[in-house]
Amino acid sequence: EAGVTQSPRYAVLQEGQAVSFWCDPISGHDTLYWYQQPRDQGPQLLVYFRDEAVIDNSQLPSDRFSAVRPKGTNSTLKIQSAKQGDTATYLCASSWDRSNERLFFGHGTKLSVL
Amino acid sequence: AQSVTQPDARVTVSEGASLQLRCKYSYSGTPYLFWYVQYPRQGLQLLLKYYSGDPVVQGVNGFEAEFIKSNSSFHLRKASVHWSDSAVYFCAVSAGANTGKLTFGHGTILRVHP
Repeated sequence: EAGVTQSPRYAVLQEGQAVSFWCDPISGHDTLYWYQQPRDQGPQLLVYFRDEAVIDNSQLPSDRFSAVRPKGTNSTLKIQSAKQGDTATYLCASSWDRSNERLFFGHGTKLSVL
Repeated sequence: AQSVTQPDARVTVSEGASLQLRCKYSYSGTPYLFWYVQYPRQGLQLLLKYYSGDPVVQGVNGFEAEFIKSNSSFHLRKASVHWSDSAVYFCAVSAGANTGKLTFGHGTILRVHP
């Protein structure tokens, strides 16, 4: 079984530049999550989807971050104008069990904003 | 709102020694508790979870954790560690069923001397 796939693995930007992260969840998983993990901290939920619908995006900085999952499969997280404080690893996870059973995480995209 | 505290940023033990990684949570309702592990160059993986019932839960690779409600704790234990257990361990709490909205601690870096 293929795991959660994320690309790119690394990104280096200047402040003000835009960047997109892509996630391919495990086939059949209806729920997809984006987490932000700053260095030496635990992951923090940004947004999650069930199929194509956003369930909770309350922690997503809406002025610069956006996330979509148009067909309920792959997802894209975009930062419109990156800041140094956005430096972190961005993790995608998926699950199929609505009883909060288990999340499967990708390797993440490590973002550095200079 | 819920929170998780892992008071030990780093733990170093010798191979074959016993291990306890500490986790305390804060949540007013019924907590759903998890331990995830992040091995080098791999994504986060679920070690074990607690929903209800027996407060001692068994996980993979000989790990177990005990839920102590009176102490708001969910410490992770292993009787005899192996060098391959070296990784970062995250404790997490969820607000309830039907959600993957996990709140993670900052993690504990475990180093096992061979």
